[in-house]
Amino acid sequence: AQSVSQHNHHVILSEAASLELGCNYSYGGTVNLFWYVQYPGQHLQLLLKYFSGDPLVKGIKGFEAEFIKSKFSFNLRKPSVQWSDTAEYFCAVNGEAAGNKLTFGGGTRVLVKP
Amino acid sequence: GAGVSQSPRYKVAKRGQDVALRCDPISGHVSLFWYQQALGQGPEFLTYFQNEAQLDKSGLPSDRFFAERPEGSVSTLKIQRTQQEDSAVYLCASRPTGGTLYEQYFGPGTRLTVT
Repeated sequence: AQSVSQHNHHVILSEAASLELGCNYSYGGTVNLFWYVQYPGQHLQLLLKYFSGDPLVKGIKGFEAEFIKSKFSFNLRKPSVQWSDTAEYFCAVNGEAAGNKLTFGGGTRVLVKP
Repeated sequence: GAGVSQSPRYKVAKRGQDVALRCDPISGHVSLFWYQQALGQGPEFLTYFQNEAQLDKSGLPSDRFFAERPEGSVSTLKIQRTQQEDSAVYLCASRPTGGTLYEQYFGPGTRLTVT
């Protein structure tokens, strides 16, 4: 079975600070990895995804994530956050043999203070 | 074009009532998913359709939960004899194909409160 763990439930930052959100997954085979974001009052939307190839993937709004297979990790980063990055962030995994289901982590609420 | 839409956006049900939640996926999207998101948690998979076929219902928590997609487009999630533990946001997502190498597009969810 696949599972996802997000280490931080809440993060509070000031604008221009750097952000890193941890995500570890448990699955023994090939995986597809995702970060979704939910801004206040909005739908879940895709931030970035990794299927194969370059383990450093870049997404929208200056976000990037690095897939480290040996650590079963897919951490999300942004060098300099803005107030508009206030949102809840979810890491998700789809294992090759797990069919079509996404397994999500518990989410990290990020508050960026202006 | 329009995204995934869900209705109603909010539903309050008394314990024991039946509810029906509707999902309109993006036009032409083959795959449709239902997830349940409890307060403070990430979404949890309930069931998956490819066209009208329900290919995976392993996440449905009990036989009170039933989902259908009879014509391969709109889907309905039905919960019979609702219980307080059914209170959650129910999310629908759609994807263009049956393959996994595409993202899922999520709707706004239906917040169900069982009193």
